[in-house]
Amino acid sequence: DIQMTQSPSTLSASVGDRVTITCRASQSISSWLAWYQQKPGKAPKLLIYKASSLESGVPSRFSGSGSGTEFTLTISSLQPDDFATYYCQQYNSLWTFGQGTKVEIK
Amino acid sequence: QVQLVQSGAEVKKPGASVKVSCKASGYTFTGYYMHWVRQAPGQGLEWMGWINPNSGGTNYAQKFQGRVTMTRDTSISTAYMELSRLRSDDTAVYYCARVPIVVVPAAIDYWGQGTLVTVSS
Repeated sequence: DIQMTQSPSTLSASVGDRVTITCRASQSISSWLAWYQQKPGKAPKLLIYKASSLESGVPSRFSGSGSGTEFTLTISSLQPDDFATYYCQQYNSLWTFGQGTKVEIK
Repeated sequence: QVQLVQSGAEVKKPGASVKVSCKASGYTFTGYYMHWVRQAPGQGLEWMGWINPNSGGTNYAQKFQGRVTMTRDTSISTAYMELSRLRSDDTAVYYCARVPIVVVPAAIDYWGQGTLVTVSS
């Protein structure tokens, strides 16, 4: 099974900060990676698919990059609505989620 | 608009089974896989498997093989996930989520609201 490792587990940041979350796959997944945002008590929301494609309606401050085994999610200027938990997910071979990164207020 | 509406919360005893439903509307039910993902309290997301509503074909995560059964009723655009031999660590919110049936891999674009299953004696 493909393992997904996210870092950091928790990230403290302020409004306006540039934030980067990393996701590493245990083997190559090409670009078959998605990023989701989840707020407490809610279902996850798709932000990025195919590593770097922005889902319709998602603000442009969110961006994704990478291929193979190394991927990043970047929020260019953190907004109050962005404090949440973020998950990466590979869908190259079955499915696996990363363990999540909680973005909290500094 | 696309909606995935799941059945209500359940409380079950260890060893019992639970069956969660997911009613789809606003799109062609047979054009999308239905995946099931669960989330234990305070924990991350765990993929359980999928069903192809068109063919009825399934693919389960190895961890749940032998305990999970995914079915569908195309006449009412509803998918089901049944988990048997419940244990306390099966306590979680269970989500259904759709993925387009296309030639290349695709990500989830819509999720159900989640169903809390509590396993307790």
